[in-house]
This record gives sequence, C-alpha cells and structure tokens, in this order.
Amino acid sequence: RKEVEQDPGPFNVPEGATVAFNCTYSNSASQSFFWYRQDCRKEPKLLMSVYSSGNEDGRFTAQLNRASQYISLLIRDSKLSDSATYLCVVAPPDSNYQLIWGAGTKLIIKP
Amino acid sequence: DTEVTQTPKHLVMGMTNKKSLKCEQHMGHRAMYWYKQKAKKPPELMFVYSYEKLSINESVPSRFSPECPNSSLLNLHLHALQPEDSALYLCASSQAPTMNTGELFFGEGSRLTVL
Repeated sequence: RKEVEQDPGPFNVPEGATVAFNCTYSNSASQSFFWYRQDCRKEPKLLMSVYSSGNEDGRFTAQLNRASQYISLLIRDSKLSDSATYLCVVAPPDSNYQLIWGAGTKLIIKP
Repeated sequence: DTEVTQTPKHLVMGMTNKKSLKCEQHMGHRAMYWYKQKAKKPPELMFVYSYEKLSINESVPSRFSPECPNSSLLNLHLHALQPEDSALYLCASSQAPTMNTGELFFGEGSRLTVL
C-alpha cells in the first residue's frame, strides 16, 4: 500500500459544479496534512492545511477523518482557473523536513 | 510571483558536462530543499539544508552535489549525468521544519534535459 494515495483522475467537471476528492494515508501516527495545487508546468503551491476540525477558505473546504485515515478537499462553484493537479501531502511523525506526497489528482473544469 | 528564484529556467547538457543550478531566497528562511519532479509524478525530495548544514540526503547519486554557501543561496552541482536525470528540479524553502506548517515555498524550477 502506498503511503499516500489519490485517484489520479482526471476529473472533468463543468464550471460551477462542486467537486470533491479524497486522499488516504497509511501511517496512523501522521499529524499534519496539506493540500497543494500545481498548475501545468508550474511549481506546487500550498492551497490549505487540513486541521482536525476541518477548515474552509472561500470555496474550498478540507476535512480530516482520522478514524478512516483520509483527508478530503471540496471545491464549490468551480471556476475554469481551478483546473490544476491537487496534491495531497502528509507530514510523517518522525521527520522535521520530509513530506510524503500523493501522486496528485488532475482536475479539468470545462466551460 | 514566487519569492524563490531559480536559474537557469532551462538547461540542456551532455553526459560529460559540468553545470550548476542556483537558487536564492530572501525570506529569511533557514531550511532549503532540492526536489526532483518527473512528468506526472509528485516531487521527490533530494536534499535538505537546515541552518546551512546538510540535514537530509535521500540517497542521491554523487553526480548530484549540493552546496549551501549562505542562508539565502542553494546550489546543485551536476556532473556526469544520465539521460534519466532529465526532470524539473525544484528548489524550496521553509521558515520552520515543514511538519509544523507544511508550507514550502517553491521556485519555478529548472527544467533539465540530459542528452
């Protein structure tokens, strides 16, 4: 089992729709979780951290389910500019500088 | 615009060449990273410098040699590379150990092609 797993997609979604993706992680001791966004041929950028209580930033909501070891990202009212690859990232409990990256989920928003 | 600057943006080199990738940040971050990314794959950690000392080397072949001349600069020296080393090389920095905030600030990357 991979340490961090994501559905690679692509998810083809009409503009204005709501889309959600999940990511599962294998190390139950993991403490910190993040979603990064990477546009085609660009660098990854932090989209949001994922807290135990869940968090929301505008149209984006991230949630953590420790019991089932998954995190989710929900995008409401999707825009064309949301088209990107979304990378799930987990910080292992035994390292200060290493992050475990999922392979990413590709999202394509269609007009 | 990214606050981590990488040069060159593109590099083509032969297997016998010696070249260097450069990275600079002026955010006062004390941790700097080199990642390698192949197409449709996530970034793979290569090296981490913390307070200008090499903290992590992810068993990277010696044909890649990192250097951190000061807290703002990070270099990656390349020698005798193989075609399979062709990839996007990303430099990143962080204010603190990434486990705390997870926020890495990436440069735009140097796209390397080895012929």
